[in-house]
Amino acid sequence: VLTQSPGTLSLSPGESATLSCRASQTVGRYLAWYQQKPGQAPRLLIYDASNRAAGIPGRFSGSGSGTDFTLTISSLEPEDFAIYYCLHRVNWPLTFGGGTKVEIK
Amino acid sequence: QVQLVESGGGVVQPGRSLRLSCAASGFTFSRSGMHWVRQAPGKGLEWVAVIWYDGSRKYYADSVEGRFTISRDNSDNILHLQMNSLSVEDTAVYYCAKESRLVGATNDYFEFWGQGTLVTVSS
Repeated sequence: VLTQSPGTLSLSPGESATLSCRASQTVGRYLAWYQQKPGQAPRLLIYDASNRAAGIPGRFSGSGSGTDFTLTISSLEPEDFAIYYCLHRVNWPLTFGGGTKVEIK
Repeated sequence: QVQLVESGGGVVQPGRSLRLSCAASGFTFSRSGMHWVRQAPGKGLEWVAVIWYDGSRKYYADSVEGRFTISRDNSDNILHLQMNSLSVEDTAVYYCAKESRLVGATNDYFEFWGQGTLVTVSS
C-alpha cells in the first residue's frame, strides 16, 4: 500500500512543493511519480525514485528509498498545478498512491 | 511515434460483459509488456492487469481477478481486456499503457499511455 500526503497542497506559483509517498513495505527504489491533469492521461515524471523521465523539467526531483519517497517541485509554474501519483514496481499487484492535488492558493 | 488507441467502451448493464481493445503503433509491440489501468470518475488511478510481451505471464488486481482477462495479438498489434460480470464499481476510464525500460532504469515503467475509453456500468 502506498500512502500519499498531503491530500491537497495549496501553493502559489514560484513556491516549492514537497509531496510524500510512504510504502507499507519496502519497495527499494522501484517507485515512479506521475502527473495528471484533468481529462488527460498520466505523464511519467520520475522513475527509479530519482531519475527524471525524458523532457521533464529540472524543477522536478525525486528522492528516497525503501519506504519513504519525496517528489519536490522547486518553483511551481502555472502548468504544474495537477494531481500527482506515486506507483511502485516491486511486485504484483502494482499499486498507486491515492494522489496529492497541488492547487493554486 | 508511440500511439495507443483504446476502444470498446460504452454503457453496459451490471452482470454483462464488455471487451476493450488497444491498438498500438510506432513501436515493436511484440517486445513490450502492456498494462491496463483504470480511473473511476473523480477517483485515483488503479492498476488492473499486465501481460508479458509474449503473452506468457499475466497478473491481475485482486478486484478483477477471475472476472477480467488480458490478452494480446502480436500479429495485429492489439491488446485486449475481456471484462465479465461487470459491476457498478467497474465504472471507469480504462487506459492501456506500454512498459519501457528507460535510460539507467533498473525496472520497467509506464512511459506511454492511451487517452482512455470510458466504461459505464449502469442499469
